Amino acid sequence: DAGITQSPRHKVTETGTPVTLRCHQTENHRYMYWYRQDPGHGLRLIHYSYGVKDTDKGEVSDGYSVSRSKTEDFLLTLESATSSQTSVYFCAISDRDTTGGHTGELFFGEGSRLTVL
Amino acid sequence: DAKTTQPNSMESNEEEPVHLPCNHSTISGTDYIHWYRQLPSQGPEYVIHGLTSNVNNRMASLAIAEDRKSSTLILHRATLRDAAVYYCILRRPDNYGQNFVFGPGTRLSVLP
Repeated sequence: DAGITQSPRHKVTETGTPVTLRCHQTENHRYMYWYRQDPGHGLRLIHYSYGVKDTDKGEVSDGYSVSRSKTEDFLLTLESATSSQTSVYFCAISDRDTTGGHTGELFFGEGSRLTVL
Repeated sequence: DAKTTQPNSMESNEEEPVHLPCNHSTISGTDYIHWYRQLPSQGPEYVIHGLTSNVNNRMASLAIAEDRKSSTLILHRATLRDAAVYYCILRRPDNYGQNFVFGPGTRLSVLP
């Protein structure tokens, strides 16, 4: 199994409070991603990173920010949580192949369940 | 973006082969076909992917139609552990793996 650790695994918070989810990898993979999973929507990309300090927005980035100061850590921050951000959040990693392109294989963490009351 | 169509659910008996279909009639010539699965209470895991030719690995086989408008994931001998949601994904070429679009998938039940 790929070395991906998400923390916290479960969190309950109140509307308006800041929340940070952490993704830690031990694989030295270049690319990292944050997805959210909601019933009826499948998984949707929030933000991704293609290197240290290099990040970009995904499909559903509003209300979220990310940071990657080290290869192994990718943080997802909800500056002011809302009930619509209640979801299961998955971190994923991947790497380049020998030609410099993408391997096509994502490795996912176990998920972090966030409830915003 | 090209879309995929999968049955909402399928059932299989343990130790029998399973053929999971996926239609992608609007696929472009450079789109890769990926399959992932998600076991209960876990993150998705990679199963297989291909571009034009059929592909085999230790988990499954991927059969791609000649016109590439459909594909089939084949589990050769289903086990109870194969009960999961299976996602068929088209991914256009990208640099950073940011173009995976997960739809609702097919929920596979495996009966003992």
